[in-house]
Amino acid sequence: DAGITQSPRYKITETGRQVTLMCHQTWSHSYMFWYRQDLGHGLRLIYYSAAADITDKGEVPDGYVVSRSKTENFPLTLESATRSQTSVYFCASSDSSGGTQYFGPGTRLLVL
Amino acid sequence: KQEVTQIPAALSVPEGENLVLNCSFTDSAIYNLQWFRQDPGKGLTSLLLIQSSQREQTSGRLNASLDKSSGRSTLYIAASQPGDSATYLCAVIDSWGKLQFGAGTQVVVTP
Repeated sequence: DAGITQSPRYKITETGRQVTLMCHQTWSHSYMFWYRQDLGHGLRLIYYSAAADITDKGEVPDGYVVSRSKTENFPLTLESATRSQTSVYFCASSDSSGGTQYFGPGTRLLVL
Repeated sequence: KQEVTQIPAALSVPEGENLVLNCSFTDSAIYNLQWFRQDPGKGLTSLLLIQSSQREQTSGRLNASLDKSSGRSTLYIAASQPGDSATYLCAVIDSWGKLQFGAGTQVVVTP
Protein backbone atom coordinates (compact mmCIF):
# COMPACT_ATOMS: atom_id res chain seq x y z
CA ASP A 1 0.00 0.00 0.00
CA ALA A 2 2.24 2.79 -1.31
CA GLY A 3 -0.28 5.62 -0.90
CA ILE A 4 1.17 8.85 -2.21
CA THR A 5 4.80 9.18 -3.17
CA GLN A 6 6.97 12.03 -4.37
CA SER A 7 10.25 12.03 -6.23
CA PRO A 8 12.91 13.13 -5.94
CA ARG A 9 12.95 13.70 -2.20
CA TYR A 10 15.80 16.18 -2.48
CA LYS A 11 16.89 18.23 -5.45
CA ILE A 12 19.55 20.87 -6.00
CA THR A 13 19.42 22.83 -9.23
CA GLU A 14 20.60 26.12 -10.70
CA THR A 15 18.64 29.17 -11.70
CA GLY A 16 17.22 28.94 -15.18
CA ARG A 17 17.05 25.16 -15.31
CA GLN A 18 13.85 23.24 -15.81
CA VAL A 19 12.90 20.91 -12.96
CA THR A 20 10.07 18.42 -12.72
CA LEU A 21 8.77 17.11 -9.43
CA MET A 22 6.80 13.89 -9.57
CA CYS A 23 3.76 12.84 -7.58
CA HIS A 24 2.11 9.43 -7.75
CA GLN A 25 -0.86 8.07 -5.81
CA THR A 26 -2.20 4.52 -5.74
CA TRP A 27 -5.72 5.24 -4.46
CA SER A 28 -7.23 6.45 -7.77
CA HIS A 29 -8.22 9.67 -6.04
CA SER A 30 -9.80 12.21 -8.37
CA TYR A 31 -8.36 15.29 -6.71
CA MET A 32 -4.68 16.13 -6.52
CA PHE A 33 -2.90 19.21 -5.22
CA TRP A 34 0.51 20.83 -5.09
CA TYR A 35 1.52 23.02 -2.13
CA ARG A 36 4.72 24.75 -1.19
CA GLN A 37 5.84 25.36 2.39
CA ASP A 38 8.05 28.31 3.27
CA LEU A 39 9.08 29.90 6.55
CA GLY A 40 7.01 32.98 7.07
CA HIS A 41 4.41 32.01 4.47
CA GLY A 42 3.27 28.62 5.62
CA LEU A 43 1.64 26.24 3.18
CA ARG A 44 0.23 27.69 -0.02
CA LEU A 45 -1.58 26.05 -2.92
CA ILE A 46 0.19 26.15 -6.29
CA TYR A 47 -2.11 24.11 -8.56
CA TYR A 48 -4.85 21.56 -8.22
CA SER A 49 -6.62 19.04 -10.39
CA ALA A 50 -10.15 17.68 -10.12
CA ALA A 51 -9.57 14.83 -12.59
CA ALA A 52 -7.33 13.80 -15.44
CA ASP A 53 -6.94 16.67 -17.90
CA ILE A 54 -8.61 19.15 -15.51
CA THR A 55 -6.27 21.52 -13.72
CA ASP A 56 -6.56 24.99 -12.22
CA LYS A 57 -4.41 27.61 -10.53
CA GLY A 58 -4.07 28.04 -6.82
CA GLU A 59 -2.69 30.95 -4.84
CA VAL A 60 0.89 30.99 -6.18
CA PRO A 61 0.96 29.48 -9.71
CA ASP A 62 3.46 31.79 -11.42
CA GLY A 63 6.53 29.98 -12.76
CA TYR A 64 4.94 26.54 -12.48
CA VAL A 65 3.27 24.23 -14.98
CA VAL A 66 1.25 21.09 -14.27
CA SER A 67 -0.25 18.32 -16.31
CA ARG A 68 -2.45 15.35 -15.50
CA SER A 69 -2.72 12.85 -18.31
CA LYS A 70 -3.29 9.94 -15.89
CA THR A 71 -5.35 9.95 -12.71
CA GLU A 72 -2.48 8.63 -10.58
CA ASN A 73 0.20 11.13 -11.64
CA PHE A 74 0.42 14.88 -11.17
CA PRO A 75 3.86 16.26 -12.10
CA LEU A 76 4.86 19.83 -11.29
CA THR A 77 7.36 21.57 -13.58
CA LEU A 78 9.37 24.65 -12.83
CA GLU A 79 10.01 25.96 -16.32
CA SER A 80 12.97 28.18 -15.42
CA ALA A 81 13.86 27.82 -11.76
CA THR A 82 14.46 30.91 -9.63
CA ARG A 83 15.94 31.21 -6.14
CA SER A 84 12.53 32.23 -4.81
CA GLN A 85 11.30 28.75 -5.72
CA THR A 86 13.57 27.19 -3.12
CA SER A 87 11.04 25.50 -0.90
CA VAL A 88 9.55 22.25 0.31
CA TYR A 89 6.92 20.97 -2.11
CA PHE A 90 4.07 18.73 -1.02
CA CYS A 91 1.67 16.81 -3.16
CA ALA A 92 -1.72 15.74 -1.79
CA SER A 93 -4.73 13.80 -2.97
CA SER A 94 -8.36 13.40 -2.01
CA ASP A 95 -11.23 11.23 -3.20
CA SER A 96 -13.70 14.12 -3.20
CA SER A 97 -13.67 17.91 -3.32
CA GLY A 98 -14.20 18.33 0.42
CA GLY A 99 -12.73 15.07 1.61
CA THR A 100 -9.67 14.32 3.67
CA GLN A 101 -6.46 15.28 1.91
CA TYR A 102 -3.51 12.94 2.25
CA PHE A 103 -0.05 14.34 1.82
CA GLY A 104 3.11 12.93 0.35
CA PRO A 105 6.47 13.11 2.15
CA GLY A 106 7.59 16.22 0.29
CA THR A 107 10.42 17.28 -2.01
CA ARG A 108 13.07 19.67 -0.70
CA LEU A 109 14.20 21.86 -3.59
CA LEU A 110 17.20 24.16 -3.44
CA VAL A 111 17.75 26.55 -6.34
CA LEU A 112 21.26 28.01 -6.43
CA LYS B 1 -10.23 36.79 1.34
CA GLN B 2 -10.17 33.94 3.84
CA GLU B 3 -7.64 34.25 6.65
CA VAL B 4 -6.83 31.41 9.01
CA THR B 5 -5.16 32.14 12.34
CA GLN B 6 -3.76 29.80 14.96
CA ILE B 7 -3.01 31.09 18.43
CA PRO B 8 -0.74 30.50 20.23
CA ALA B 9 2.15 30.02 17.83
CA ALA B 10 3.92 27.86 20.40
CA LEU B 11 2.88 25.96 23.50
CA SER B 12 4.75 23.94 26.10
CA VAL B 13 2.97 21.67 28.58
CA PRO B 14 4.01 18.96 31.05
CA GLU B 15 3.14 15.39 30.21
CA GLY B 16 -0.37 14.43 31.22
CA GLU B 17 -1.95 17.84 30.74
CA ASN B 18 -4.69 18.33 28.19
CA LEU B 19 -3.81 20.34 25.10
CA VAL B 20 -6.14 22.96 23.64
CA LEU B 21 -5.26 24.29 20.20
CA ASN B 22 -7.22 27.08 18.58
CA CYS B 23 -7.99 27.88 14.96
CA SER B 24 -10.02 30.83 13.72
CA PHE B 25 -11.13 31.80 10.23
CA THR B 26 -12.65 34.98 8.85
CA ASP B 27 -15.10 33.62 6.27
CA SER B 28 -17.67 31.20 7.69
CA ALA B 29 -18.56 29.88 4.22
CA ILE B 30 -16.22 26.94 4.54
CA TYR B 31 -16.94 23.48 3.22
CA ASN B 32 -14.99 21.46 5.78
CA LEU B 33 -12.02 21.85 8.15
CA GLN B 34 -9.07 19.53 8.57
CA TRP B 35 -6.47 19.23 11.33
CA PHE B 36 -2.96 17.99 10.62
CA ARG B 37 0.17 17.13 12.51
CA GLN B 38 3.65 17.81 11.14
CA ASP B 39 6.85 16.48 12.66
CA PRO B 40 10.12 18.34 11.92
CA GLY B 41 11.32 17.67 8.39
CA LYS B 42 8.33 15.47 7.62
CA GLY B 43 5.11 15.61 5.70
CA LEU B 44 1.64 16.32 7.03
CA THR B 45 -0.38 13.65 8.76
CA SER B 46 -4.14 14.06 8.73
CA LEU B 47 -5.68 13.91 12.20
CA LEU B 48 -9.34 14.77 11.77
CA LEU B 49 -11.73 16.12 9.15
CA ILE B 50 -14.80 17.96 10.39
CA GLN B 51 -17.57 18.44 7.89
CA SER B 52 -19.32 21.81 7.94
CA SER B 53 -22.54 20.16 9.14
CA GLN B 54 -20.78 18.63 12.14
CA ARG B 55 -20.06 20.26 15.48
CA GLU B 56 -17.54 17.73 16.67
CA GLN B 57 -15.31 14.87 15.58
CA THR B 58 -13.41 12.43 17.78
CA SER B 59 -10.57 10.00 17.24
CA GLY B 60 -8.98 8.36 20.27
CA ARG B 61 -7.50 11.09 22.49
CA LEU B 62 -8.30 13.74 19.91
CA ASN B 63 -11.47 15.77 19.78
CA ALA B 64 -12.11 18.64 17.39
CA SER B 65 -15.00 21.06 17.53
CA LEU B 66 -16.27 23.41 14.86
CA ASP B 67 -18.38 26.55 15.25
CA LYS B 68 -18.84 27.98 11.78
CA SER B 69 -20.91 30.96 12.88
CA SER B 70 -18.12 32.24 15.11
CA GLY B 71 -15.34 31.11 12.76
CA ARG B 72 -13.61 28.82 15.26
CA SER B 73 -12.33 25.31 15.61
CA THR B 74 -10.60 23.81 18.61
CA LEU B 75 -8.49 20.67 18.79
CA TYR B 76 -8.32 18.98 22.18
CA ILE B 77 -5.69 16.36 22.92
CA ALA B 78 -6.30 14.53 26.17
CA ALA B 79 -3.55 13.39 28.52
CA SER B 80 -0.66 14.66 26.41
CA GLN B 81 2.46 12.56 25.89
CA PRO B 82 5.96 13.51 24.73
CA GLY B 83 5.16 11.81 21.42
CA ASP B 84 2.51 14.48 20.85
CA SER B 85 5.25 17.06 20.38
CA ALA B 86 4.86 18.41 16.85
CA THR B 87 3.40 21.31 14.91
CA TYR B 88 -0.37 21.22 14.53
CA LEU B 89 -1.97 22.85 11.54
CA CYS B 90 -5.57 23.59 10.75
CA ALA B 91 -6.86 24.16 7.25
CA VAL B 92 -10.23 25.27 5.95
CA ILE B 93 -11.52 23.59 2.83
CA ASP B 94 -13.57 25.37 0.19
CA SER B 95 -16.09 23.79 -2.16
CA TRP B 96 -13.34 23.08 -4.71
CA GLY B 97 -11.37 21.12 -2.14
CA LYS B 98 -8.64 23.74 -1.85
CA LEU B 99 -7.02 24.03 1.57
CA GLN B 100 -6.07 27.28 3.21
CA PHE B 101 -3.77 26.75 6.16
CA GLY B 102 -3.08 28.50 9.40
CA ALA B 103 0.55 29.05 10.39
CA GLY B 104 0.41 26.28 12.96
CA THR B 105 0.96 25.82 16.69
CA GLN B 106 4.25 24.27 17.74
CA VAL B 107 3.67 21.99 20.72
CA VAL B 108 6.27 20.65 23.14
CA VAL B 109 5.23 18.12 25.76
CA THR B 110 7.86 17.78 28.47
CA PRO B 111 8.31 14.50 30.38
